[in-house]
Amino acid sequence: NAGVTQTPKFQVLKTGQSMTLQCAQDMNHNSMYWYRQDPGMGLRLIYYSASEGTTDKGEVPNGYNVSRLNKREFSLRLESAAPSQTSVYFCASSDRGGSYEQYFGPGTRLTVT
Amino acid sequence: AQRVTQPEKLLSVFKGAPVELKCNYSYSGSPELFWYVQYSRQRLQLLLRHISRESIKGFTADLNKGETSFHLKKPFAQEEDSAMYYCALMDTGRRALTFGSGTRLQVQP
Repeated sequence: NAGVTQTPKFQVLKTGQSMTLQCAQDMNHNSMYWYRQDPGMGLRLIYYSASEGTTDKGEVPNGYNVSRLNKREFSLRLESAAPSQTSVYFCASSDRGGSYEQYFGPGTRLTVT
Repeated sequence: AQRVTQPEKLLSVFKGAPVELKCNYSYSGSPELFWYVQYSRQRLQLLLRHISRESIKGFTADLNKGETSFHLKKPFAQEEDSAMYYCALMDTGRRALTFGSGTRLQVQP
């Protein structure tokens, strides 16, 4: 039981390049989330998916797109990377019943030069 | 808009000393509050939630609606408590979290 997995762990992009961050969970959770973590700012919600087939914007969605491919997978795409998107990206999942505890992946450290 | 404030970036104490990590929030409804912790080279994980009124690893947190606070306390700090601590408020609609900026706790021997 791996919990929440993210790939890649590290990535360096040039301004204007695109990439997709992958996230998968094996806990049969309905809800999945993408956060970014910047120094001194805590984690901020980019997008979330309450259930398979639905996605909604969070606090900082500009410059990102997401796909909830199936119940397990939730990807985050940067179409044209900018230096302001240099950050650590965390994926999380939770069950909509019960405690709503969120389970986090290990993070992807992205640098845009 | 909801907001979580953690006023201290760094809190340094000696082993055995009491610890209090401060958290204040603003939210118009009935808040659901959490403390998450990130130990070195580990992923972010739930420490405790106010609904459960539990004590985890000796830590407790009481919701004070009058002062809009949810401070995390431990009477005797241990070196293994050294970590980054985040206070978080749940948006009851999205079930997504709003995090504070975090407090790094350093427990010195």
